[in-house]
Amino acid sequence: EAQVTQNPRYLITVTGKKLTVTCSQNMNHEYMSWYRQDPGLGLRQIYYSMNVEVTDKGDVPEGYKVSRKEKRNFPLILESPSPNQTSLYFCASSSWDRDSSPLHFGNGTRLTVT
Amino acid sequence: SQQGEEDPQALSIQEGENATMNCSYKTSINNLQWYRQNSGRGLVHLILIRSNEREKHSGRLRVTLDTSKKSSSLLITASRAADTASYFCATGDTGRRALTFGSGTRLQVQP
Repeated sequence: EAQVTQNPRYLITVTGKKLTVTCSQNMNHEYMSWYRQDPGLGLRQIYYSMNVEVTDKGDVPEGYKVSRKEKRNFPLILESPSPNQTSLYFCASSSWDRDSSPLHFGNGTRLTVT
Repeated sequence: SQQGEEDPQALSIQEGENATMNCSYKTSINNLQWYRQNSGRGLVHLILIRSNEREKHSGRLRVTLDTSKKSSSLLITASRAADTASYFCATGDTGRRALTFGSGTRLQVQP
C-alpha cells in the first residue's frame, strides 16, 4: 500500500531535549516536505527536499533541521525544542512533475513541548 | 508568500444538501488543489485544477477556478455525514515546489 509513515504519532517532551520525528514514503517520490498545523494558521511549510541531499527552507524553518540521505526518508530534527513548537506536524511527499503534483500526507505527529 | 483563504470558516448543513466553499488567493498560480482533513488526520488530496482550466468534476465534487478574480470554489453535491471534515485549498508555486495552504473550512453534515 502506498503510504507516508510518520513516527511517533504522539510525543510529549520537555524544553531543550533533542528529538527526531521520522518520515518514510514507499512511492519513490522525489519531493518531500514537512508542515506544521496550528489552529487558525492552516498548514505552514517548514522544510522541503526535491531529492537526495537537496533540502531548502520553507516559511517557518527556525528551530528545525532536516536531512535527506535516502530517497525514502526525511526526518525532522528539533535540536532544542521550545513550547512554541508544540504543534501538529505532517510529512508529505509527491512525485516530481512540471507542475505541483498532489501531495500524499502522513497521519501526523502531535508534539507537546512543556 | 501567496496564500489561499477559505470562506466560510465553518459550515453546517443537513445531509443531502449541497455544500459550497470558496477560496481566494493573492498572486498568480500554476494550479489550485483541494484537500480534505478528517479530525486530526493527514490531508487527503481531492482534486487539482490547472490555471488554464475553468471547471473540473470528480464524482460529487465540482471545482471552479476564476483566475481573473483569483478565486476558486468547491461544491459537494448531495452531502453525506461522512463528508464532515475540514477542507483546504492550496495554491501551487512551481518555482519553489511548495503548496501554500489556507486555514480551511470546517464542514459539518448533520444526518
